[in-house]
Amino acid sequence: AQKITQTQPGMFVQEKEAVTLDCTYDTSDQSYGLFWYKQPSSGEMIFLIYQGSYDEQNATEGRYSLNFQKARKSANLVISASQLGDSAMYFCAMREIIGTASKLTFGTGTRLQVTL
Amino acid sequence: AAGVIQSPRHLIKEKRETATLKCYPIPRHDTVYWYQQGPGQDPQFLISFYEKMQSDKGSIPDRFSAQQFSDYHSELNMSSLELGDSALYFCASSSTDRTYEQYFGPGTRLTVT
Repeated sequence: AQKITQTQPGMFVQEKEAVTLDCTYDTSDQSYGLFWYKQPSSGEMIFLIYQGSYDEQNATEGRYSLNFQKARKSANLVISASQLGDSAMYFCAMREIIGTASKLTFGTGTRLQVTL
Repeated sequence: AAGVIQSPRHLIKEKRETATLKCYPIPRHDTVYWYQQGPGQDPQFLISFYEKMQSDKGSIPDRFSAQQFSDYHSELNMSSLELGDSALYFCASSSTDRTYEQYFGPGTRLTVT
């Protein structure tokens, strides 16, 4: 069974600084995908970034980058130049492929608070 | 760009009542997923559909059922509601050619009293 571990229940970062949110995973699959989602207090789940297990380069999307270390089974999210609007819960998730569908298994999340 | 639509956004029901949640996937997305997120919890996979057929089933109670219709919208039916069913229910959709892009709807917040 797949497992996602986020060891930081909460993080603080000052505005304009960079922050790294940790995520480790466990799977016996050779092909898998890793996601990060942002969940603000309003509740919606916002897709941030995706990394495929065969992707050789780390994924980047604007201020978000994913530090993918396959041998260590880690997929940390790096947010550069933090903004107050980045304050939210962040979930790391892994994709398990079932036929043509792919369900996600989530970690327990990290609550990020950006301060002035 | 069009997003996943869920209705209703909020629902209050009493114990033992029935609820129906609706999901309209992003146009041209053929796969729909349902997730349940309890208070302070991470989302848990319930069930998924591909081309109107159930493709996988997770920790979905027998009191719940779901289906995907010919227009690809999906409904989650919940009967004999219990207090523990109070949660945020997400629908997500993807297309088979880009399964790594799984987009979530805004969720339906169900409160059972």
